Amino acid sequence: DVKVTQSSRYLVKRTGEKVFLECVQDMDHENMFWYRQDPGLGLRLIYFSYDVKMKEKGDIPEGYSVSREKKERFSLILESASTNQTSMYLCASSSGQAGETQYFGPGTRLLVL
Amino acid sequence: QKEVEQNSGPLSVPEGAIASLNCTYSDRGSQSFFWYRQYSGKSPELIMFIYSNGDKEDGRFTAQLNKASQYVSLLIRDSQPSDSATYLCALNTGGFKTIFGAGTRLFVKA
Repeated sequence: DVKVTQSSRYLVKRTGEKVFLECVQDMDHENMFWYRQDPGLGLRLIYFSYDVKMKEKGDIPEGYSVSREKKERFSLILESASTNQTSMYLCASSSGQAGETQYFGPGTRLLVL
Repeated sequence: QKEVEQNSGPLSVPEGAIASLNCTYSDRGSQSFFWYRQYSGKSPELIMFIYSNGDKEDGRFTAQLNKASQYVSLLIRDSQPSDSATYLCALNTGGFKTIFGAGTRLFVKA
C-alpha cells in the first residue's frame, strides 16, 4: 500500500511566522503535490513536482514555496504566514505516468492567528 | 464555468437505496476520471477510476462515463450509513495535474 505521511496533523502559527509542512511518501513515486482545501472551494493545487529539484506552480502559488531535495520528500513553505492561509493542507503523490491516481496524506490543519 | 461541476448537496438517501452522484466537466480533452471519497476530517481516498466510455463496476460502486455529454457519474447500490461522506469527482487532461470538483455530500439515513 502507498503510504503518504505529513509531519503534523494540527498546527497553530502566528502571522508572519515561517511555516514548514513536510510530506514523505514511501512508494518511490515521481510526482508529488501540495493542495489546500477550503469549504466550498474544493481542492486547489498550490505546487507540484515531477522529479527531484523540479517544481511547477499550481493554481494558487502566491505566498508559498516548495522544496524537493529527495525523491520521497516534498516540503511546503509559507514564507510569512497570513490569516488567509488558515486551511487544510493535503499532500499527494502519484507514479510517473501522467493521469495516474493520486494518493493523499492525512492532511495538516493549519490555523494562523 | 468551473472546470469540474458537482452539486454540493447534501444528497440524502435511505439505507439500501441507490445513491447517484453526478459530475460534469468542461474540457473535452479530459482523459482520466476519478471518484474519491472523503470522510469528515479525513483525506480523500480513491474509490474508482475510469478511462473509457461506458460503465465500470466494482462491488457496490459503478462509475459511468459519457465523453460526448461530458459527464461522469457514480452509483452506489445498497447504500449504507458508512457511505455517508463527501464524494469528489476529479479528472486529468493528460498532464500531471488533476482537477478536482468541490464535492457532493452524501447522507445515508439508517
